[in-house]
Amino acid sequence: EADIYQTPRYLVIGTGKKITLECSQTMGHDKMYWYQQDPGMELHLIHYSYGVNSTEKGDLSSESTVSRIRTEHFPLTLESARPSHTSQYLCASSTGGGRAFFGQGTRLTVV
Amino acid sequence: GQQLNQSPQSMFIQEGEDVSMNCTSSSIFNTWLWYKQDPGEGPVLLIALYKAGELTSNGRLTAQFGITRKDSFLNISASIPSDVGIYFCAGYPIFSSNTGKLIFGQGTTLQVKP
Repeated sequence: EADIYQTPRYLVIGTGKKITLECSQTMGHDKMYWYQQDPGMELHLIHYSYGVNSTEKGDLSSESTVSRIRTEHFPLTLESARPSHTSQYLCASSTGGGRAFFGQGTRLTVV
Repeated sequence: GQQLNQSPQSMFIQEGEDVSMNCTSSSIFNTWLWYKQDPGEGPVLLIALYKAGELTSNGRLTAQFGITRKDSFLNISASIPSDVGIYFCAGYPIFSSNTGKLIFGQGTTLQVKP
């Protein structure tokens, strides 16, 4: 039922590298979200978008940036990865006010 | 910041027991959602609630949208080992109805002893 995809599933990268985490959904949802989560911990909203060309920062400050040029695509970019960015990043989409669906997540490790 | 308070933080129960957890907020919510997350995976939607007082079931799971619209409850009956995981409540605060901002509770970690 949930047609939302994240790539890569796992990423190990060196400090200082630029990375982009991909998120795509085929459900035509207007709203998309990025959450950051450490293992077994709560989900922190870092970015969300309520439509094309409309993005907002979430409750947790993040050095990452996002873009929403197409409805189905919501990539997250880190210009210069650091070990403190090591975490799981979860993407979700919804119609807004309705059911929200998650991708499988990207486990990022910065060494 | 965080506007949803979920409790309990963790539970360790015997197989066959019933489980209850809840979420509260100082804000009014339009929708409540309940998720289950297995280790290393994304959260999976269990139940969605849209109206105050609504009671919805999904198998052994039952959730309710509180009358005040500031809380929600999830019950699991006759727990089994595969119920193990982290359960999250989530919702859309009324003040974010234009943007669809979705926020989460802190999670309840459930462990079931066979």
